[in-house]
Amino acid sequence: EAQVTQNPRYLITVTGKKLTVTCSQNMNHEYMSWYRQDPGLGLRQIYYSMNVEVTDKGDVPEGYKVSRKEKRNFPLILESPSPNQTSLYFCASSGLAGQDEQFFGPGTRLTVL
Amino acid sequence: GQQVMQIPQYQHVQEGEDFTTYCNSSTTLSNIQWYKQRPGGHPVFLIQLVKSGEVKKQKRLTFQFGEAKKNSSLHITATQTTDVGTYFCLNSGGYQKVTFGTGTKLQVIP
Repeated sequence: EAQVTQNPRYLITVTGKKLTVTCSQNMNHEYMSWYRQDPGLGLRQIYYSMNVEVTDKGDVPEGYKVSRKEKRNFPLILESPSPNQTSLYFCASSGLAGQDEQFFGPGTRLTVL
Repeated sequence: GQQVMQIPQYQHVQEGEDFTTYCNSSTTLSNIQWYKQRPGGHPVFLIQLVKSGEVKKQKRLTFQFGEAKKNSSLHITATQTTDVGTYFCLNSGGYQKVTFGTGTKLQVIP
């Protein structure tokens, strides 16, 4: 089954404790992206990747890092989480450089205390 | 990124009434996509519009791309409770960095 998986689905952590949210897709997609969703603000792009070893900033990259060492994986790293990063995070992938439909993961609800 | 405004932010309708959400951009869009997110779920792709003035239909849903490719609309005829959710537009195509509209949350009252 074609899918995007994210782990963990829920996470409560404390300020400053490094964390990684994993994202994996099994569709051989080139394009992958991370979004955060906050009430009233919709979905905002954090980082995206056009292919392996190619990443770039979205609209809200501050406080986040990503890597794309393999085509299928695109982890989101929070080196020193802060309460303003409490949000719902979605990973997505698509086939043609963001021009095809995006397939979203189930989401990760992160709370930073 | 591009600014994509979406209105209204919320809409409550009686079951059977029609519903429309609009996306407006300050600049010309290459393509536009529409997504639906059910409560507690993740966004799911509905459709992509590419051509100026394009109109596409999916059962009770009608999608339109403006002639100037700066706006788009999604119209639902005779809403049902299964239509509940938030509808987002997304500029896509030619832009690696994408921008979602702020979304319209639809509530359908049985």
